[in-house]
Amino acid sequence: GIQVEQSPPDLILQEGANSTLRCNFSDSVNNLQWFHQNPWGQLINLFYIPSGTKQNGRLSATTVATERYSLLYISSSQTTDSGVYFCAAWGGAGSYQLTFGKGTKLSVIP
Amino acid sequence: KAGVTQTPRYLIKTRGQQVTLSCSPISGHRSVSWYQQTPGQGLQFLFEYFSETQRNKGNFPGRFSGRQFSNSRSEMNVSTLELGDSALYLCASSLAKGLQRETYEQYFGPGTRLTVT
Repeated sequence: GIQVEQSPPDLILQEGANSTLRCNFSDSVNNLQWFHQNPWGQLINLFYIPSGTKQNGRLSATTVATERYSLLYISSSQTTDSGVYFCAAWGGAGSYQLTFGKGTKLSVIP
Repeated sequence: KAGVTQTPRYLIKTRGQQVTLSCSPISGHRSVSWYQQTPGQGLQFLFEYFSETQRNKGNFPGRFSGRQFSNSRSEMNVSTLELGDSALYLCASSLAKGLQRETYEQYFGPGTRLTVT
């Protein structure tokens, strides 16, 4: 099945700094999602981005499907951005499942 | 529109017991998936249901089972609980239409945190 790798595994930022999280996947995908897991465990949808670029406030994401990677940009980070960020890719036609990376744990300090 | 709801939110069980978790999808969503999250294995796919049919199952023992009802609500059951079953169980729903090559954005519920002692 498809493999999803995220980097870096951990990231510590000063409030106000910018960051880039990376997600590599092993095969072509037609569904790529980014999530933020809050301290209570819920996965919050950030982007559904099989290809191209999308922006939502201070967050933006770019997926280059032909090169099998996606990037999540966080600008002017805030302490509330802390948590774990996951990317997940659809496991191929007929799999009906998302394959998750291991996540990037982001800590934003004041 | 209400999001995905899961009940109960927290559960403590003893080894050997069985447990049933419930998931109500977003109104209009007919696909429901279940995932297990543990610190060691991360997020792993359990199974997916569409229109009361299981379309795929992850690599879990037969003690893990599920079903979907005609109103799209889903339950998962774990029998003969083991300590290693302690995890956060997440349910997701999507607007799938039942086509083989379709993909849709998945929306997750708050999860059920199961502790097995």
